[in-house]
Amino acid sequence: ILNVEQSPQSLHVQEGDSTNFTCSFPSSNFYALHWYRWETAKSPEALFVMTLNGDEKKKGRISATLNTKEGYSYLYIKGSQPEDSATYLCAHSGSARQLTFGSGTQLTVLP
Amino acid sequence: DVKVTQSSRYLVKRTGEKVFLECVQDMDHENMFWYRQDPGLGLRLIYFSYDVKMKEKGDIPEGYSVSREKKERFSLILESASTNQTSMYLCASSTTGPTGGAYQETQYFGPGTRLLVL
Repeated sequence: ILNVEQSPQSLHVQEGDSTNFTCSFPSSNFYALHWYRWETAKSPEALFVMTLNGDEKKKGRISATLNTKEGYSYLYIKGSQPEDSATYLCAHSGSARQLTFGSGTQLTVLP
Repeated sequence: DVKVTQSSRYLVKRTGEKVFLECVQDMDHENMFWYRQDPGLGLRLIYFSYDVKMKEKGDIPEGYSVSREKKERFSLILESASTNQTSMYLCASSTTGPTGGAYQETQYFGPGTRLLVL
């Protein structure tokens, strides 16, 4: 089993703060890196899929970067809002068909 | 809009019972997946299927089996439920990419089934 690690495990920020979290993954056998957002009582929803070293993706106030050579990805949230409160999951693909998920970063944005 | 549905949101079963968890997707996706989620462990892949009647073991297949008789439906079977199978079970589906793999394709998840085995 490939090891995907996310840090921190949980995070509390004030509304308006910017924040970021890290996903570390094995740098060998890289196919893709996914980010998902999982809100309480809902299904996980895809944020980004990145496949190339140096990829940067952006959706509104959320962005992500990818470094496949050193095996990490950062997720950034600018100006956090209470509706950003969720668990953020990253998933690494080291094969053509499977994803290996990290345990997630639980973000709470305080109003 | 992709829709993945799971047969139950909550389920309570007794040790030793045979349990069926059903998942249906309406987007004609080739790939379907079953995960379980436990606190602090993230989503762990139990089984996946990339075609009708095809199945492959994930990272934790022990104690589980699957069935995919139709493209839209993927069933997870607990042959003899045990207390350590108490968990949240999530089904997902995805299409197949141009290279024939699923690694860069978004997975669409169902709402999950919270199973309690007593």
